[in-house]
Amino acid sequence: DIQMTQSPSSLSASVGDRVTITCRASQGISNYLAWYQQKPGKVPKLLIYAASTLQSGVPSRFSGSGSGTDFTLTISSLQPEDVATYYCQKYNSAPGLGFGGGTKVEIK
Amino acid sequence: EVQLVESGELVVQPGGSLRLSCAASGFTFDDYAMHWVRQAPGKGLEWVSLITWDGITTYYADSVKGRFTISRDNSKNSLYLQMNSLRAEDTALYYCAKDSGSGFYYFDYWGQGTLVTVSS
Repeated sequence: DIQMTQSPSSLSASVGDRVTITCRASQGISNYLAWYQQKPGKVPKLLIYAASTLQSGVPSRFSGSGSGTDFTLTISSLQPEDVATYYCQKYNSAPGLGFGGGTKVEIK
Repeated sequence: EVQLVESGELVVQPGGSLRLSCAASGFTFDDYAMHWVRQAPGKGLEWVSLITWDGITTYYADSVKGRFTISRDNSKNSLYLQMNSLRAEDTALYYCAKDSGSGFYYFDYWGQGTLVTVSS
């Protein structure tokens, strides 16, 4: 089964900083990758699919890139409302619809 | 507006059974595959199961295969998860999630979740 590894597991950055989260697949998954944001005590929200396509209504400071095994989620200018845990999810094939372990983003 | 409403908080003893329900509204239910995703307390997300729009094809995570059964009733806009032989490690918040409908299995709407606690 293909494993998804996120790094770092947590980070602390200042408001306005550029933040990058990495997700690595143990085998190639083309661009079959989604990113979700889960704010504390809230339900996960879809941010990006197909590795780089922004879901409707998601602020443009969020962007995704990558293909194959290496992917990144970038927040171009961190805002206080971006405090959350971010998860990547592969969907190249069922039943292995696995998530990464998550990256917790905090404000310094 | 898409709404997914799961059944309320549930407690069961190890080895017991539970049936989760999810009532869907705000979209054409029988056009979409549906999923269950769970999150153990303080832990990450784990995909559990998927059912296609017509209920014919189902998939399961290895951790629940043979113990859980996903089903749906399109006439009632409802999704179910029958959970048998429950273990302590099944304790989690169980989310009902709508498939994107793109032909690829990711999740564009989530319910609020139902907490399942397996404890003696």
